Amino acid sequence: TAGITQAPTSQILAAGRSMTLRCTQDMRHNAMYWYRQDLGLGLRLIHYSNTAGTTGKGEVPDGYSVSRANTDDFPLTLASAVPSQTSVYFCASSDKGAIGDTEAFFGQGTRLTVV
Amino acid sequence: SQKIEQNSEALNIQEGKTATLTCNYTNYSPAYLQWYRQDPGRGPVFLLLIRENEKEKRKERLKVTFDTTLKQSLFHITASQPADSATYLCALPRNQAGTALIFGKGTTLSVSS
Repeated sequence: TAGITQAPTSQILAAGRSMTLRCTQDMRHNAMYWYRQDLGLGLRLIHYSNTAGTTGKGEVPDGYSVSRANTDDFPLTLASAVPSQTSVYFCASSDKGAIGDTEAFFGQGTRLTVV
Repeated sequence: SQKIEQNSEALNIQEGKTATLTCNYTNYSPAYLQWYRQDPGRGPVFLLLIRENEKEKRKERLKVTFDTTLKQSLFHITASQPADSATYLCALPRNQAGTALIFGKGTTLSVSS
């Protein structure tokens, strides 16, 4: 089973350029999330979506935008990348909108380097 | 908002011993708490969930406790093996509305043979 698929696996991006990180899930989960993981800072929530058509801001939303046009896809866009956005990005999904008491499933991550 | 502390960045133990990892949180008491395992270059993988009305939860060699008075969860791996070497993350609901999980920074466990 595929679960959550993220693309690309890694990317080097010039500062000032835009980029969309893709995330697709095949589990029909209603909630999806984007996290970034940095050494010494752990996983930090960027944006989330409890159901298709709705999104919310996490702890570190600045410089990022998301959309949730359907259940399966939750792309993350960097409009104008800066070096501080160099990180590993993880997409996740869960079965309940408020994550309730169910587990989160994570993708394999996208390693982004902004130069 | 909720804050999580995993008070050991690294823990080194010998094979066969019990590893004990700690997760402390501030502010409100969450309805549940989760533990994840993360291997290098991979996404976190769910291990266990414990609810606020449960004192203890077990799964094979894993045991989790939840003390809402101390605002603490302990994660134990008994009869540890080198394959248990990984980073273990504690996770809680971000707020009382439960919109998304927040994670501790993790404890990296190394089990030597």
